[in-house]
Amino acid sequence: GQNIDQPTEMTATEGAIVQINCTYQTSGFNGLFWYQQHAGEAPTFLSYNVLDGLEEKGRFSSFLSRSKGYSYLLLKELQMKDSASYLCAVMDSNYQLIWGAGTKLIIKP
Amino acid sequence: NAGVTQTPKFRVLKTGQSMTLLCAQDMNHEYMYWYRQDPGMGLRLIHYSVGEGTTAKGEVPDGYNVSRLKKQNFLLGLESAAPSQTSVYFCASSRLAGAPDTQYFGPGTRLTVL
Repeated sequence: GQNIDQPTEMTATEGAIVQINCTYQTSGFNGLFWYQQHAGEAPTFLSYNVLDGLEEKGRFSSFLSRSKGYSYLLLKELQMKDSASYLCAVMDSNYQLIWGAGTKLIIKP
Repeated sequence: NAGVTQTPKFRVLKTGQSMTLLCAQDMNHEYMYWYRQDPGMGLRLIHYSVGEGTTAKGEVPDGYNVSRLKKQNFLLGLESAAPSQTSVYFCASSRLAGAPDTQYFGPGTRLTVL
């Protein structure tokens, strides 16, 4: 079966760095997406990785290792507004997105 | 440019009632999707459409029907609502067909079935 695993909840301090991990087992691979979802709102796109390595976009970076079925989202210089759920999703061989349950990130002052 | 919009935002139904959720996008996207999101679970695909006049089943299609008569609209119908269909429903759209592309989401519809 297809499976996406990520931690349920993480806590970090304002100004610090946090890494959210995602491991996956899917039928085929056409890229991995990270989305941010604030409570009561729609998911919004953060990043897309299809090749191994690190993609940096401002305070956010995303890493992919296809051989290990592993990705992480790195958030630097955490701000209170980063409190949200972070969703990992893999596009399978049919171009369907398989979603993880999300990691709720709590930022403390 | 409103992006993806959904109506209604909230709805309470009694078991056995029917309703239609409307999704509209103004980005001229080919692909449209209906997901449901339940606590502790990832988004699950209900139905999707690869273009006007086409629909296909996703992971959890039972109890739902869809139609895409116009490119910009994607309707989700519940013929006889059940408490198990209490959920948050998200519509999404993407530009390209058959290739990895970002999905843009609507604000969601919160449905409670009593």
